[in-house]
Amino acid sequence: DTGVSQNPRHKITKRGQNVTFRCDPISEHNRLYWYRQTLGQGPEFLTYFQNEAQLEKSRLLSDRFSAERPKGSFSTLEIQRTEQGDSAMYLCASSLAGQGPHQPQHFGDGTRLSIL
Amino acid sequence: DQQVKQNSPSLSVQEGRISILNCDYTNSMFDYFLWYKKYPAEGPTFLISISSIKDKNEDGRFTVFLNKSAKHLSLHIVPSQPGDSAVYFCAATGVAAGNKLTFGGGTRVLVKP
Repeated sequence: DTGVSQNPRHKITKRGQNVTFRCDPISEHNRLYWYRQTLGQGPEFLTYFQNEAQLEKSRLLSDRFSAERPKGSFSTLEIQRTEQGDSAMYLCASSLAGQGPHQPQHFGDGTRLSIL
Repeated sequence: DQQVKQNSPSLSVQEGRISILNCDYTNSMFDYFLWYKKYPAEGPTFLISISSIKDKNEDGRFTVFLNKSAKHLSLHIVPSQPGDSAVYFCAATGVAAGNKLTFGGGTRVLVKP
């Protein structure tokens, strides 16, 4: 399977714990995005990387959230001191920059976070 | 401030008929528009896109129309099939918008056999 891969698929944790999610993009894609989706809403942008550089962060991304893409391949999203409001589906997407003005983003199946 | 809106939360259509999904946007900086389809417990799957230099793009049973003056786009699915039953999201982006996707709230489509 050469699509975007996200792990774990589902994470249940107690409030106050730290969690980390991993995303493996499509191998030749140099852009990687994180989104969050809550029930009944469309995905909302959190942050994105071009290669290893984090180019933009949404104001939704509080200081409890941190994302990395250390070698420009896989990425991790960490949430510290989780809160009830962090319960959501966390989606990762990747795309190829430099092949024309626009390229579609391709999504993984997400990590569903449930805070007890 | 919702920059991309899908005003119909749901749509029911008979198999074989046309499904028309609508989307409105407010940000003039958007110049690339996409439609995604989402099944439960899966991520959004890219369907079709259109650049602002075009007013129509077709791919098999899917056609997207863009009306820039009205800041409106629509997705036509014809003929509709039961496997098309899913939630459809409209999304918009652009270089000036930082290449990130801004999504509408989605339209749930049910195709009845």
